[in-house]
Amino acid sequence: QSVLTQPPSVSGAPGQRVTISCTGSSSNIGAGYDVHWYQQLPGTAPKLLIYGNSNRPSGVPDRFSGSKSGTSASLAITGLQAEDEADYYCQSYDSSLILYVFGTGTKVTVL
Amino acid sequence: EVQLLESGGGLVQPGGSLRLSCAASGFTFSSYAMSWVRQAPGKGLEWVSAISGSGGSTYYADSVKGRFTISRDNSKNTLYLQMNSLRAEDTAVYYCAKAPVREVAGMRYYGMDVWGQGTTVTVSS
Repeated sequence: QSVLTQPPSVSGAPGQRVTISCTGSSSNIGAGYDVHWYQQLPGTAPKLLIYGNSNRPSGVPDRFSGSKSGTSASLAITGLQAEDEADYYCQSYDSSLILYVFGTGTKVTVL
Repeated sequence: EVQLLESGGGLVQPGGSLRLSCAASGFTFSSYAMSWVRQAPGKGLEWVSAISGSGGSTYYADSVKGRFTISRDNSKNTLYLQMNSLRAEDTAVYYCAKAPVREVAGMRYYGMDVWGQGTTVTVSS
């Protein structure tokens, strides 16, 4: 089982703002390790969406933003669009497990 | 264009072996750490293994340690995953992924920026 917990699903109407939480512990996010976010569209490979807590790779729309505080991180999507319907995963490093860990994943549905 | 193309997946019996390959193009392969990440049917992502750009450092998830071996041939721009003693729970789509740094520790700060399309491994009798 994953050590990073995400809500199974979130939904919103087009144009709305949704947020996805990623809750960890003192051995991963709380220890200061960075959080990265990936978007996985149906039937495709994951794509890096946010790295280093809040940085967007080139080509990622600024509708996507990330933040981190304490033992948790969040991904926000503003101006929700139909093409944002996908699974989203957070990822960090865990010092007690000595490996990279992914969150449980969140399915975003655009109503 | 930066590309990763996995191959080698298939159906294998429990206890069997399989070697996955990931052919890289469009970047200086030896300059970057690489990982394997898998996704069981209908499940989330699981990091499996990583290797430094030189190939000198390797890391494994506990679930595969002692059974899987990651390696790379920088002259062929290819990443490998040798999988032995396969179990039903190893059934998954296996993705190779590139980190934008040479050392695996750098993945902590930058994540994995390029992913292949995946190859499917099914372990079943």
